[in-house]
Amino acid sequence: GESVGLHLPTLSVQEGDNSIINCAYSNSASDYFIWYKQESGKGPQFIIDIRSNMDKRQGQRVTVLLNKTVKHLSLQIAATQPGDSAVYFCAESHTGGFKTIFGAGTRLFVKA
Amino acid sequence: EPEVTQTPSHQVTQMGQEVILRCVPISNHLYFYWYRQILGQKVEFLVSFYNNEISEKSEIFDDQFSVERPDGSNFTLKIRSTKLEDSAMYFCASLPSPRPTGVKGEQYFGPGTRLTVT
Repeated sequence: GESVGLHLPTLSVQEGDNSIINCAYSNSASDYFIWYKQESGKGPQFIIDIRSNMDKRQGQRVTVLLNKTVKHLSLQIAATQPGDSAVYFCAESHTGGFKTIFGAGTRLFVKA
Repeated sequence: EPEVTQTPSHQVTQMGQEVILRCVPISNHLYFYWYRQILGQKVEFLVSFYNNEISEKSEIFDDQFSVERPDGSNFTLKIRSTKLEDSAMYFCASLPSPRPTGVKGEQYFGPGTRLTVT
């Protein structure tokens, strides 16, 4: 069956350090991947996305890496700030459909 | 900045009762979604809606669930006979349109409605 999961449920980093959040997916048909940030009491917020014909995409302070060979996705946050503290979800979809499958989430703690 | 809004923020209902959760998507968006999130768990897709019909639904979205876009602004999720296990946060999301290449763009999520079934 299809599943998207995360390697670590909790990640704690020092302010200013870089954070890396990992995700594994199992559906080979997925060709579109998204990272969301969810702060307490709020809905998920889009961070960055990547299509399967790419292996890297950069945004503002964030980079997503996609390794299709091992079905692995990662989110890198540069110079992590206290405001980055949240739960991060990876999600997968495919361009021919509408369903988005979310992973289990990783809680990021940023220590001042 | 335009936002997706949801009402109520918290709904308490008794088992077996019907509930309607309401969403106002961003006005020029074309695709609409409902998700749920049981406390402490991952976000689960329920249904997507486009061109006034369901485009895809999950196995969670059984006959007890229905969606409707009764006018040009609201998008509702109805649960006909609530069960204890329906207690969750329900998120509405909307999307303007796929990118020209057909890739889904970013979905905009509302703040959610917390449904508590007692």
